[in-house]
Amino acid sequence: NAGVTQTPKFQVLKTGQSMTLQCAQDMNHEYMSWYRQDPGMGLRLIHYSVGAGITDQGEVPNGYNVSRSTTEDFPLRLLSAAPSQTSVYFCASSTSVGGWNEQYFGPGTRLTVT
Amino acid sequence: EDQVTQSPEALRLQEGESSSLNCSYTVSGLRGLFWYRQDPGKGPEFLFTLYSAGEEKEKERLKATLTKKESFLHITAPKPEDSATYLCAVPGGYNKLIFGAGTRLAVHP
Repeated sequence: NAGVTQTPKFQVLKTGQSMTLQCAQDMNHEYMSWYRQDPGMGLRLIHYSVGAGITDQGEVPNGYNVSRSTTEDFPLRLLSAAPSQTSVYFCASSTSVGGWNEQYFGPGTRLTVT
Repeated sequence: EDQVTQSPEALRLQEGESSSLNCSYTVSGLRGLFWYRQDPGKGPEFLFTLYSAGEEKEKERLKATLTKKESFLHITAPKPEDSATYLCAVPGGYNKLIFGAGTRLAVHP
């Protein structure tokens, strides 16, 4: 099992550019989520999904878009990058539809927007 | 508003010097509390789940305890490999976890 994988590991964008952060899991988990981690603020939930075709907003969804066409994949799209989106992004999956069981995190994507 | 606060922000220990990390929370109806460990440049890794006041869980040199208002992560005789950031989290609503900012632990030989 590869667990949760994320690509790319590092990315630099210019303001206004768009891009997609990729996330995949091979554990057949229904629940997947995206977090951003900023210094001193902890992990904040961006979007989550409880199964293929079902997504919902988290705490900080503005400027991000998600879709879930398969159980395995949950990409995060930045529509028009802004410096405020400079952060480390983590994808996670869980056996619990509620996301309250143990969550498995990917290695993260470090994004810099200039 | 649901909130999780961890203290201290950073902790420096000598190898073998035991200590505790604190996680205090305000949520309406606790449905569990989670502890994670995060190494630099990596994603968080699950450690424990606690569900009710009085519950304790242990793993090697770590012991997590839970009261009605806070949780403690006790580290007994730590080693340098215990150096990491320790995060706690609570369910803040359906399908959502609220994380604290974490405690950065450094254990020196």
